Amino acid sequence: QSALTQPASVSGSPGQSITISCTGTSSDVGGYDYVSWYQQHPGEAPKLMIYEVTNRPSGVSNRFSGSKSGNTASLTISGLQADDEADYYCSSYTSTTTNVFGTGTRVTVL
Amino acid sequence: EVQLLESGGGLVQPGGSLRLSCAASGFSFSTYAMSWVRQAPGKGLEWVSGISGSGGSPYYADSVKGRFTISRDNSKNTLYLQVNSLRAEDTAIYYCATSPNRYNVLYFDFWGQGTLVTVSA
Repeated sequence: QSALTQPASVSGSPGQSITISCTGTSSDVGGYDYVSWYQQHPGEAPKLMIYEVTNRPSGVSNRFSGSKSGNTASLTISGLQADDEADYYCSSYTSTTTNVFGTGTRVTVL
Repeated sequence: EVQLLESGGGLVQPGGSLRLSCAASGFSFSTYAMSWVRQAPGKGLEWVSGISGSGGSPYYADSVKGRFTISRDNSKNTLYLQVNSLRAEDTAIYYCATSPNRYNVLYFDFWGQGTLVTVSA
């Protein structure tokens, strides 16, 4: 199972919006509405930010939103803040009842 | 409060074995599928293995199939990962994580802090 493709890095200024893409295939991202997104700060465990493409867990800011079109999912962070600087990973359920992560994106707040 | 506490990591020689454990509390353990996810130093996340709430359906990534075995003891609220025939590329932090579904690993809503496995001579 190949990793989902994400841009290595994305940057933005405070207050701006950024979007991270996550490209897979019809056997994972395109075939199921089980795309999720995780935030990981250095030295910490990952944290669930979006599940089932668009849903936010309790406690996650509404500045984070998710979407999907075909085989590509996206995470948008609006009103960028300093604490949003972290690594972000997408993940998808797959046709072989396994799970696959994306390659990861480093978000930098300028 | 959901708590996941991994243990069992350490330094092991190539070809060696370890048994990782994840003690869970704060939720109905048997109603959640569980997974192990690893992260090599400076690298991204890799899903390794998952298991249904009953323990009857294990799932593995191709990279570990035949070498790793996932299991769970619902009477002890504990998840395990037996890792055999270890290779240098298995060096990573191993996280356990919950999936809010009894049967399949759909996504990961809670994570432990991880246990480090280092494979080196």
